[in-house]
Amino acid sequence: KAGVTQTPRYLIKTRGQQVTLSCSPISGHRSVSWYQQTPGQGLQFLFEYFSETQRNKGNFPGRFSGRQFSNSRSEMNVSTLELGDSALYLCASSKGLAGSETQYFGPGTRLLVL
Amino acid sequence: EDQVTQSPEALRLQEGESSSLNCSYTVSGLRGLFWYRQDPGKGPEFLFTLYSAGEEKEKERLKATLTKKESFLHITAPKPEDSATYLCAVQAGWEYGNKLVFGAGTILRVKS
Repeated sequence: KAGVTQTPRYLIKTRGQQVTLSCSPISGHRSVSWYQQTPGQGLQFLFEYFSETQRNKGNFPGRFSGRQFSNSRSEMNVSTLELGDSALYLCASSKGLAGSETQYFGPGTRLLVL
Repeated sequence: EDQVTQSPEALRLQEGESSSLNCSYTVSGLRGLFWYRQDPGKGPEFLFTLYSAGEEKEKERLKATLTKKESFLHITAPKPEDSATYLCAVQAGWEYGNKLVFGAGTILRVKS
């Protein structure tokens, strides 16, 4: 069974630009979550989507947004990039929204903002 | 606010030298505690889920245990390939969904 896939794997952008990251969950999984990982803050929750609706949101500014499509694939967008947005962005999928379900992570997209 | 603290920050072991990693948590309403392993440049790899105090799970050289305030990841006779960052995370509270709150991780190095 294929795991979570994320594209692209690496990105270099400049301040002020915007970026879109893509995530395909494990087949049959309907919940997709996004996390940001940095050396200083560790892994932090961005948001979770289920059935094309955002179900939960972390403490990030509105520049961070996402969406989910009917096939459960998800995208996240960061507008007006700042240097501090440089991070590894991880997508995780789980079967549903039961609240105690295991999340399986993809390889991540490494974003560098110059 | 839910908090997860892992110790030690880093651990160096000789091959075959058993040890334990600690994850202490302060949450309201624990729904699940998760252990992940992360290799450099990769996403976290799922290891275990624990749901209630007293629960234990094993996989090869790893054994995870849970009490009401902390979890331990015991590593028996580690090998160099066990070198990685081990992450502990909790699902807690009564929010809808699977949000994970992570600890900072323990970096494990096993030397042959």
